Amino acid sequence: EPEVTQTPSHQVTQMGQEVILRCVPISNHLYFYWYRQILGQKVEFLVSFYNNEISEKSEIFDDQFSVERPDGSNFTLKIRSTKLEDSAMYFCASSEWGQYGYTFGSGTRLTVV
Amino acid sequence: AQTVTQSQPEMSVQEAETVTLSCTYDTSESDYYLFWYKQPPSRQMILVIRQEAYKQQNATENRFSVNFQKAAKSFSLKISDSQLGDAAMYFCAYRNSGNTPLVFGKGTRLSVIA
Repeated sequence: EPEVTQTPSHQVTQMGQEVILRCVPISNHLYFYWYRQILGQKVEFLVSFYNNEISEKSEIFDDQFSVERPDGSNFTLKIRSTKLEDSAMYFCASSEWGQYGYTFGSGTRLTVV
Repeated sequence: AQTVTQSQPEMSVQEAETVTLSCTYDTSESDYYLFWYKQPPSRQMILVIRQEAYKQQNATENRFSVNFQKAAKSFSLKISDSQLGDAAMYFCAYRNSGNTPLVFGKGTRLSVIA
């Protein structure tokens, strides 16, 4: 069964550093998403991406964040100047055109120290 | 904005018994989708079951079934013959039609007692 692949599974970074979280969506999917889950809290939407541009973003997704699809397979989330409160599990997801279900990746646990 | 409420932070069930997890939501839309996701300790998000709002028939997937009450905006998950592997966080989620973001509830932590 096709999977959404996320790397790394766990990343530790110093406060103020930049991190890039990587995702390989399912190959025939057209819509891509990033979600965040702070430990013990609910899953929150960050951004959706379609046709090489952001289609929707939440209030959380401020200038500190950016997304990119640098080639035909990868989908990245960049966090500039990380803060302690950015420590969370970050999930990538993808879906086909017109399909109402997502497939989630296994997540990247980001720890900012 | 749509909201999803899960009023049970924690639930427990004896192995082989049945448990029902509650979820209510608020929306002014008529066309939408509802989901239950399971998050085991590995923290991966696994789709358990989904329901289209236009369908009156409740969705079922093996031991998992839902009770969808559109007028009451209620979407509960029933797990029959509970197994130890069912122990996890369960999230209820809502999505409008089109490729709009999922809105999640805060989750219910389910423990299964042997």
